[in-house]
Amino acid sequence: GAVVSQHPSRVICKSGTSVKIECRSLDFQATTMFWYRQFPKKSLMLMATSNEGSKATYEQGVEKDKFLINHASLTLSTLTVTSAHPEDSSFYICSAVTGRQPDTQYFGPGTRLTVL
Amino acid sequence: GQQLNQSPQSMFIQEGEDVSMNCTSSSIFNTWLWYKQDPGEGPVLLIALYKAGELTSNGRLTAQFGITRKDSFLNISASIPSDVGIYFCAISSGSGDKLTFGTGTRLAVRP
Repeated sequence: GAVVSQHPSRVICKSGTSVKIECRSLDFQATTMFWYRQFPKKSLMLMATSNEGSKATYEQGVEKDKFLINHASLTLSTLTVTSAHPEDSSFYICSAVTGRQPDTQYFGPGTRLTVL
Repeated sequence: GQQLNQSPQSMFIQEGEDVSMNCTSSSIFNTWLWYKQDPGEGPVLLIALYKAGELTSNGRLTAQFGITRKDSFLNISASIPSDVGIYFCAISSGSGDKLTFGTGTRLAVRP
């Protein structure tokens, strides 16, 4: 159990376009999902916390108007990178909390974004 | 923000050897987690530690939550080629709270 999927697994886009990444909890309901970004050979950096039915909470330095997060249901959160630029190229990973005690974050397989 | 320092940064060992890596922070935390990340994949939870001094095993992996609550170590015994990857420690200040990841230890295993 506790499987999290992401779609797409990799995407290449032109500079200036927007890209949507989906994160789904397949066999559980996730009241909270998290979005991370990982640059090559670096650690995971939290971008934002996404709660179902409410606005996401962004970490310091993350532009909320550039990285739009929607958590419309208990099994789906989306991250939209708007007007993407080459510096947005990165590995984006989501995680979901099951709500069982003790809470544990289960991670998706990640989405590789390349902006040309 | 909080910094978690892992050491060593990378290791290159012979198959069958034991491995030890650690993670330190400047603050006290209630939960320490160890994850493994394979190339191009998301992290997978290996061991979770919830009590200071706790020693927990998962197969060939053993992790301990430091008594000061500012550090943790992970040991891998009798390493095998599939142990290759990046090992991250992570801390959480509470149940369901956001995680902060360490700098990572990259492990390579020579057959």
